[in-house]
Amino acid sequence: EPEVTQTPSHQVTQMGQEVILRCVPISNHLYFYWYRQILGQKVEFLVSFYNNEISEKSEIFDDQFSVERPDGSNFTLKIRSTKLEDSAMYFCASRLFDEKLFFGSGTQLSVL
Amino acid sequence: GESVGLHLPTLSVQEGDNSIINCAYSNSASDYFIWYKQESGKGPQFIIDIRSNMDKRQGQRVTVLLNKTVKHLSLQIAATQPGDSAVYFCAENLGYNTDKLIFGTGTRLQVFP
Repeated sequence: EPEVTQTPSHQVTQMGQEVILRCVPISNHLYFYWYRQILGQKVEFLVSFYNNEISEKSEIFDDQFSVERPDGSNFTLKIRSTKLEDSAMYFCASRLFDEKLFFGSGTQLSVL
Repeated sequence: GESVGLHLPTLSVQEGDNSIINCAYSNSASDYFIWYKQESGKGPQFIIDIRSNMDKRQGQRVTVLLNKTVKHLSLQIAATQPGDSAVYFCAENLGYNTDKLIFGTGTRLQVFP
């Protein structure tokens, strides 16, 4: 069964550093998402992306965050200057036409 | 405001018994609901979904019930197995002008032999 792939599985970084989280969505999917889950809290929506542009973003997704689909297969989330409170599990997700969303296994980001 | 909440943070059941996981939602405008299963170290895995024009939907060993009158969603798992042990999330989608999912806090299901 096709799946969403995320790399790396764990990322440790120093506060203020830039990080790029990588995702390969399911190949024929059209809609792409990033969600995150701070330890012990709900899964939260960050951003949705369709037709090479952001279609919706949450209040969390401020100027420090950006997304890109550089080559038609990868979908990346960049955090320009990480803060301690950015520590979380970041999930990439994708879907085709209906609302059934497929999630990757996540990247655990730890900001020290 | 927007909120999706779960009544029970932990549910313990005996293997072979049926499990019922509950979820309350506050947005009467929500028109699509999903249950996800999350095992340790993995991302949310789709279990079953239901639209607001239905009140029941069945899958393999799972049934989702939707009661729009009281804004309540439940997931029933028949003949619960050890492999069902996980955290279960409900999520809702408002449907118009947005496709983001709003997740509940999760219920941990523990299955004992």
